Formats: sequence, C-alpha cells, structure tokens
Amino acid sequence: DIVLTQSPDSLAVSLGERATISCKSSQNILYSSNNKNYLAWYKQKPGQPPKLLIYWASTRESGVPDRFSGSGSGTDFTLTISSLQAEDVAVYYCQHYYNTPRTFGQGTKVEIK
Amino acid sequence: EVQLVQSGGGLVQPGGSLRLSCAASGFTFSTYWMSWVRQAPGKGLEWVANIKQDGSEKNYVDSVKGRFTISRDNAKNSLYLQMNRLRVEDTAVYYCARDVEYNYFDYWGQGTLVPVSS
Repeated sequence: DIVLTQSPDSLAVSLGERATISCKSSQNILYSSNNKNYLAWYKQKPGQPPKLLIYWASTRESGVPDRFSGSGSGTDFTLTISSLQAEDVAVYYCQHYYNTPRTFGQGTKVEIK
Repeated sequence: EVQLVQSGGGLVQPGGSLRLSCAASGFTFSTYWMSWVRQAPGKGLEWVANIKQDGSEKNYVDSVKGRFTISRDNAKNSLYLQMNRLRVEDTAVYYCARDVEYNYFDYWGQGTLVPVSS
C-alpha cells in the first residue's frame, strides 16, 4: 500500500499568515501516460464530513477560495493557505488515488496562533 | 443540490451484523462510482469499499474483505454496506461518498457512527 506522510502533525498560524502542509508519498503517484499526479486534499472540521479542496494535486474544486493552492509532483506535495482565515481552522488530509487501496495521510491540524 | 443522506448506524456487539444505507439525490446516481470511507474515533480516514456504476465491480480494503459487502440499487438511488462479523476495531464513523471515476471523493454523507462493543 502507498503510505502518505503529512507534516507537521499540527501547526498554529496567525490570522492572515501563510500555512503550509507537506504530504510525502512512499511511491511515485505521477502517472506518466497522462502526466497527472493522483493526489487530492480535503478539509475536515469537527463533527463534519471531509470537504474536497484540491484534486490532481493542483486543481481547485469549484467554490474553494483561491487562498488554497496545491503543488508538487511525484512523491512530494504541498497544500498552501496563503492568508489564514478563522474558518480555515480544521484538519487537512491528503489522499492518493494512484492504485487500490486509496489511502489518506494521517492529517494535519491547523489552528490560530 | 447533491445530497447523500445516511441511515442505519448504531451499537452492535462483536460478531454481529449491521446494514448501512445512503440515499442519493441531486445527481444521476447510476453514472457514478460510490464509496464507503470510515474514521475511527479521533483518527484519520480509511477508504473501505467502492462499487462501479452498474454494480459489476466491487473493491474492498483487505481488513474487511469477506465480512463487508457493498451494493447499490440504482432504481432507488441508494448505496448500502452490509457489515457482518463485526469487530471492535470496526468502530468508526462511516461515510458514503461520491467517487469521481474511482479517483477522489467530491461529496460526502453526514456520517453514521457504528460502535462495536459488548
């Protein structure tokens, strides 16, 4: 199984500042035939289901604020929140869909400093 | 508006069975893969199973193979998860999710808690 390791496990960022989350894959998840990275990012608030933010590593889901961006390729990926807002407090997960089973990172908790 | 409304959770003893349901609306259910994803209390997310549009292909995480069965009824716009021989470690909130071409999950149900305990 592909293992996704997120770092840090938690981070505290001041309002308006940048938050950066890393997701490292144990295997390459760039499919050479279509040059796409098979990675998504989700946001989960307490007591709520996850919400899709980013897919194909960098494509923002409709309705997601443009302060959220995804980058990276191969085995190293990043989710960036350019200017943290109060409503961004949540746990963020990366997920690969390169093969079965699809797995998730362990999550990164983002809080306000 | 896409909606996935779940039902069927509840306390079950180890070795017992339970059936979860997920009623879909707001999209053409029969044209999408569908999945179940679970989350143990205070833990991360784990994909459990998925099913192709016509039910002809089903896939499971190893830990539930032979115990859980995913199914769907396209006439009723409904997804199901039959869980047999439940174990304490199956305790989790179970989510149904719309599975975009066997890739990522773009809509999720509200979740249903399944505690497995004696």
